[in-house]
Amino acid sequence: DTAVSQTPKYLVTQMGNDKSIKCEQNLGHDTMYWYKQDSKKFLKIMFSYNNKELIINETVPNRFSPKSPDKAHLNLHINSLELGDSAVYFCASSQGGSGGPYFGPGTRLTVT
Amino acid sequence: LAKTTQPVSMDSYEGQEVNITCSHNNIATNDYITWYQQFPSQGPRFIIQGYKTKVTNEVASLFIPADRKSSTLSLPRVSLSDTAVYYCLVGGPPGYSSASKIIFGSGTRLSIRP
Repeated sequence: DTAVSQTPKYLVTQMGNDKSIKCEQNLGHDTMYWYKQDSKKFLKIMFSYNNKELIINETVPNRFSPKSPDKAHLNLHINSLELGDSAVYFCASSQGGSGGPYFGPGTRLTVT
Repeated sequence: LAKTTQPVSMDSYEGQEVNITCSHNNIATNDYITWYQQFPSQGPRFIIQGYKTKVTNEVASLFIPADRKSSTLSLPRVSLSDTAVYYCLVGGPPGYSSASKIIFGSGTRLSIRP
């Protein structure tokens, strides 16, 4: 039983394209996140989303937009992809008082 | 935001106890200390979280001294499968708004040898 799942696992695309990464959690958590891990392995939070309230990291370009159809899903849409967007993107979820956040397996995005 | 400092790498042998210490001198009063484990090509895995004194679960123990300026992750009887990168993080109390304040450092690369 996968707690936090993401699709696709790998995504290769060209500059300028628009792509989406999907995330689902079956933990019943009320908060979900997107993190980016760059080539130097630093993990940085991009967004957190709770009960339709979105907290945006101000360093994230507005080409990135999270969309949450319901509490168990938080998808990441990326417009006009750039070479620098190449990274591994992790979805995560948490529930207050339960530790975490708990991370998904990641989506390796390669922009050519 | 509290910054953490931990060893870049550590080596140990199977069956040994491994202790990884993390410094966080400017930890805030309401910050918690959390440790994650990450294997190559996988997401970080939550290990343990604590606020003060000692926390123990089925995987590890976390020791936090009274001044909370450091913490030590203790892994009992490590095996080859414990080879991974371990991250120490400090941040607000568990909850969505505080996650934005959690910053991952560069971690400690732990290598376990037979």
